[in-house]
Amino acid sequence: NFLLTQPHSVSESPGKTVTISCTRNSGSIVSNFVQWYQQRPGSSPTTVIYEDKQRPSGVPDRFSGSIDSSSNSASLTISGLKTEDEADYYCQSYDSGNNGVVFGGGTKLTVL
Amino acid sequence: EVHLVESGGGLAQPGRSLRLSCAASGFTFNTYAMHWVRQIPGKGLEWVSGISWNSGSVAYADSVKGRFTISRDNAKNSLYLQMDILRPEDTALYYCAKDKDASGWNNFDYWGQGTLVTVSS
Repeated sequence: NFLLTQPHSVSESPGKTVTISCTRNSGSIVSNFVQWYQQRPGSSPTTVIYEDKQRPSGVPDRFSGSIDSSSNSASLTISGLKTEDEADYYCQSYDSGNNGVVFGGGTKLTVL
Repeated sequence: EVHLVESGGGLAQPGRSLRLSCAASGFTFNTYAMHWVRQIPGKGLEWVSGISWNSGSVAYADSVKGRFTISRDNAKNSLYLQMDILRPEDTALYYCAKDKDASGWNNFDYWGQGTLVTVSS
């Protein structure tokens, strides 16, 4: 079993760039793909990044994902921030040790 | 268009049971794994259980293992979650989610709107 740790909250101004980290506490971050979900208030989650860095159709290229094995973490970067990006963001990965799924605790992004 | 519609939530007393259902449409249901994910209002996401396309592989979070049972009926395009021995900490919004793959949990590419389960005496 492992944990995925995210910052509780981040904030940035419109037009700027923000990066949200997701650190795996045991085992290698490259062992299993990382996904990122966006959840706006009152809505269900939607995928913004899957398989580390892939973007679903319809997700703007302002959203990008990356993996850093040196820090054992994944990152979601959002450039050209818009007020509509204000939401909670969750990272997620598969736990092959117990055939389960792990979510990070979520990061609240404020665009102000 | 993919649609996932959950039902069966409601108020249950501790120790009692509830059965959640998820009606799927807009995709070939019998070729994808499916999952249940829950969220306490105002809190984060917690994966509950997953089932492969042919029910050959199922898995549960430790918090529900031995109390919840996931199943699917591919002929009815439906996913189920039998929740027994309910506890107050099971109170949450329960989402049905479609996996991107047939088996081996990957990306949850579509989610329903959720059904609320409240466990209280």
